[in-house]
Amino acid sequence: DTEVTQTPKHLVMGMTNKKSLKCEQHMGHRAMYWYKQKAKKPPELMFVYSYEKLSINESVPSRFSPECPNSSLLNLHLHALQPEDSALYLCASSQIRIDYEQFFGPGTRLTVL
Amino acid sequence: KNEVEQSPQNLTAQEGEFITINCSYSVGISALHWLQQHPGGGIVSLFMLSSGKKKHGRLIATINIQEKHSSLHITASHPRDSAVYICAVSNTDKLIFGTGTRLQVFP
Repeated sequence: DTEVTQTPKHLVMGMTNKKSLKCEQHMGHRAMYWYKQKAKKPPELMFVYSYEKLSINESVPSRFSPECPNSSLLNLHLHALQPEDSALYLCASSQIRIDYEQFFGPGTRLTVL
Repeated sequence: KNEVEQSPQNLTAQEGEFITINCSYSVGISALHWLQQHPGGGIVSLFMLSSGKKKHGRLIATINIQEKHSSLHITASHPRDSAVYICAVSNTDKLIFGTGTRLQVFP
């Protein structure tokens, strides 16, 4: 299984809602990543988890809260988002570190009203 | 100046043409990645290379470490190759992305 899955595919939420994005991989990868991608722009790194521990937070606002419950799962909890947070959120994983091949999920398209 | 520059930004081709996309970088790297993204879709890793040349089917990627330059070639292009191609480099603990090359191949 060389797949990274993400749910949901699409999400519409109001600024007062709380929602979560979910990412799963069963390739035994120990590094997992959250990226944010705006239209016609490259992905921007948000968080890196290495061996289930948060290793990088790219100064992401606290309304985004990552969680890695186990080595296969990565969540992104969303609370009090702004319309400018509307974007495609991509999850990725790699064997150990950033210089290993990254496998990307299909993304969650988030719209904040 | 971006640390990873791609050219061209946009590219149109007729089916069957040979296509080259270039990537130059200005930082030290441990690896260079070529990625493909179809409209509205997720990203697929095409190649990861740190030296020389790799080939998968009609795709060829080369890297020249001394010149800090990589190329992605598509032979016998097809409309299904239409996508955004992104060059990214592994630098310390993160990927640095180029701005992408939007390719359209017409039948």
